[in-house]
Amino acid sequence: DSGVTQTPKHLITATGQRVTLRCSPRSGDLSVYWYQQSLDQGLQFLIQYYNGEERAKGNILERFSAQQFPDLHSELNLSSLELGDSALYFCASSLLGGTGELFFGEGSRLTVL
Amino acid sequence: ILNVEQSPQSLHVQEGDSTNFTCSFPSSNFYALHWYRWETAKSPEALFVMTLNGDEKKKGRISATLNTKEGYSYLYIKGSQPEDSATYLCAFPQAGTALIFGKGTTLSVSS
Repeated sequence: DSGVTQTPKHLITATGQRVTLRCSPRSGDLSVYWYQQSLDQGLQFLIQYYNGEERAKGNILERFSAQQFPDLHSELNLSSLELGDSALYFCASSLLGGTGELFFGEGSRLTVL
Repeated sequence: ILNVEQSPQSLHVQEGDSTNFTCSFPSSNFYALHWYRWETAKSPEALFVMTLNGDEKKKGRISATLNTKEGYSYLYIKGSQPEDSATYLCAFPQAGTALIFGKGTTLSVSS
């Protein structure tokens, strides 16, 4: 158990809909990362937050947004969903930024039909 | 976003074989180099975080070396076992923060 909690574990929805994925980081970790893993793709970096502020942004679509709340949990909002958004979305946390090891949640499997 | 390259993409070895993989990363503005192990149906788990040129880390039969000047790291597995079958990822923090992952090397060990 990494200490990182992601909900929901599985989500099936239709095109055009909006979903919210939630992540609770490991106790004490200030940094939260979101990654997307699509079929045959590696871990694609989406966005990073550190202590409530956006720290770095990757190839995140404009239809996607995220935030980190004062209690350090984070949410990833995916809107106007398309078939291609079907993927496994991982949240990871670390105490530090890039020099601290990441602890991954179990992922949220999103299926868009 | 910078590129982190890993080779080979996949590898199949027999139990008892020793093997190694390569991770290439930008040699400028180095902060750290991470190695993760990702088993099927599980989440990635950290193996090593390396920060110094020439650094060598070891965990059981797995070890890693780092050359920051030329921008590469090697991961070695000595005497591979079936339970070593996994995808091994390396990652590099872009601008010291956003951890960018390579596509990984998938190792399959046959008994």
